[in-house]
Amino acid sequence: SQQGEEDPQALSIQEGENATMNCSYKTSINNLQWYRQNSGRGLVHLILIRSNEREKHSGRLRVTLDTSKKSSSLLITASRAADTASYFCFRAGNNRKLIWGLGTSLAVNP
Amino acid sequence: NAGVTQTPKFRVLKTGQSMTLLCAQDMNHEYMYWYRQDPGMGLRLIHYSVGEGTTAKGEVPDGYNVSRLKKQNFLLGLESAAPSQTSVYFCASSSSGGGNTGELFFGEGSRLTVL
Repeated sequence: SQQGEEDPQALSIQEGENATMNCSYKTSINNLQWYRQNSGRGLVHLILIRSNEREKHSGRLRVTLDTSKKSSSLLITASRAADTASYFCFRAGNNRKLIWGLGTSLAVNP
Repeated sequence: NAGVTQTPKFRVLKTGQSMTLLCAQDMNHEYMYWYRQDPGMGLRLIHYSVGEGTTAKGEVPDGYNVSRLKKQNFLLGLESAAPSQTSVYFCASSSSGGGNTGELFFGEGSRLTVL
């Protein structure tokens, strides 16, 4: 398997706090994407960041990409109970490989 | 706005039975994918298609077959189901693929249990 690494595997925070999850990879990428999966549902696309971008924002989401360290982070600010889900990173490599991380399970407690 | 629709949502099979999962997308996407998701294993690609009439093997193709006779449909078949194929299956589609894969649109999943 060429699945990359995400950390932490699980994260539990209080409502209103920020949540940060990380994704590391090994091969060069064209873009990196973050997805959310609520329990029992399909995955939903959150944000795509290209290899020539360093930071991207979407609402309360902030994604950074450091290609020198081969890592990305997803920050969710002012978390809500509805943010409870699993979050996955997905890499489209320039070797045409499509790689999913194992996910971070986020629990936001009211 | 349907997006990606999978049928059936749930199915219980006995070992050795066959079945077909249907995936339909209404976004005119060229690329379609079948994944399975198992606890602790993440998403694993079974088969994919880069356009009508084409299919290709992914990471874990053994025991599965696929067909893409129409651009909007991607079928996943199990000819002789085994307990190891108990999983949640997801179909996805995208307008671009390979190294430039863009946003993937997922169905809600099909939960298959093989007894």
